Amino acid sequence: NAGVMQNPRHLVRRRGQEARLRCSPMKGHSHVYWYRQLPEEGLKFMVYLQKENIIDESGMPKERFSAEFPKEGPSILRIQQVVRGDSAAYFCASSPQGSTDTQYFGPGTRLTVL
Amino acid sequence: KNEVEQSPQNLTAQEGEFITINCSYSVGISALHWLQQHPGGGIVSLFMLSSGKKKHGRLIATINIQEKHSSLHITASHPRDSAVYICAVDSGSNYKLTFGKGTLLTVNP
Repeated sequence: NAGVMQNPRHLVRRRGQEARLRCSPMKGHSHVYWYRQLPEEGLKFMVYLQKENIIDESGMPKERFSAEFPKEGPSILRIQQVVRGDSAAYFCASSPQGSTDTQYFGPGTRLTVL
Repeated sequence: KNEVEQSPQNLTAQEGEFITINCSYSVGISALHWLQQHPGGGIVSLFMLSSGKKKHGRLIATINIQEKHSSLHITASHPRDSAVYICAVDSGSNYKLTFGKGTLLTVNP
């Protein structure tokens, strides 16, 4: 029973490039959450998605960041025109049905922007 | 001021010692989570609680809703307990967690 999977685990991009981070939730989970952990900072909520729907994106920067969770395939967090300040660990979590269930975390993707 | 404050920031202990990590929060919550993050970054959920006390093995988590305070205790600590312990609260959204900055625990043999 595989857990939440994220790839790549490490991603290096130059300023101005695009970064695509993938998250495959646990089997049977249709709710996905993305969090960002900046250096020396705590985790911060970014976005909550269900299949084909963005439920809450209040934690997403207004520009350059987008997220999707298509009917088939993994959830994608996309960062366009990356800047050095985007360097962080990005974690996704999934849960089986909304809300009160414990969220299961993936191993994270460490993004480094040169 | 962060909505979720943890103390201490860093904690070093000798194997076998009893460990306490504290978490205070300033908002009303529906649930509080304790998470463990190992070097290399993987995050594991330890507890979710909304009242009282929960125990799992050598770990015990307590919460006092009136005082807006929670503690995580580790009995008979072991070097493999070395990790960052993170407190997070759900303020009623039932999905959006607000996190503390974490407590780095190092247990020496």
